[in-house]
Amino acid sequence: DAGVTQSPTHLIKTRGQQVTLRCSPKSGHDTVSWYQQALGQGPQFIFQYYEEEERQRGNFPDRFSGHQFPNYSSELNVNALLLGDSALYLCASTLGGEQFFGPGTRLTVL
Amino acid sequence: GENVEQHPSTLSVQEGDSAVIKCTYSDSASNYFPWYKQELGKRPQLIIDIRSNVGEKKDQRIAVTLNKTAKHFSLHITETQPEDSAVYFCAASSAGGTSYGKLTFGQGTILTVHP
Repeated sequence: DAGVTQSPTHLIKTRGQQVTLRCSPKSGHDTVSWYQQALGQGPQFIFQYYEEEERQRGNFPDRFSGHQFPNYSSELNVNALLLGDSALYLCASTLGGEQFFGPGTRLTVL
Repeated sequence: GENVEQHPSTLSVQEGDSAVIKCTYSDSASNYFPWYKQELGKRPQLIIDIRSNVGEKKDQRIAVTLNKTAKHFSLHITETQPEDSAVYFCAASSAGGTSYGKLTFGQGTILTVHP
């Protein structure tokens, strides 16, 4: 049984560019959450998707958007990248219980 | 919204000693409190969690206590081993029905266990 997977593992972008990160949840999990973890800090909640809709959202600007597909996989899109968007982006999936985290995507904005 | 404060930010112990990490939360609606261990360059992994209808939970060398009145919860690790060295995060969430909402994390505690 595969756990939560994310792609790519690492990504380097320049300011102003756009990026798409991908997440495949643990088998059977229907809810996906995205978190941003800056270096030396705890993860910060971006948003959560359930039944292909954004159910909850944290304090992130509209530059951060997402999508969930019928197979429960999800994408995180960030437009107009800023230097401050450099972080580890974590995806977590759940079926109404414990949230299982993926390995993350390390995004560097130059 | 919810705010979670975690202390200490760093903790250094000798192998075999106990380690205690404390967190406070602000939102009385929070009812689910997980603890995650994150090793360098790896994903956060759940080590123990507690729900608000329980005051204490144990799993081998790890225990968590919850005081709802004071809005604080603590992680206790006994007989620490060098493999316990990592960053530990507490979190709080408002879980309703069968769904678990967003996790609000503390700032993390860097635990170092010296052989």
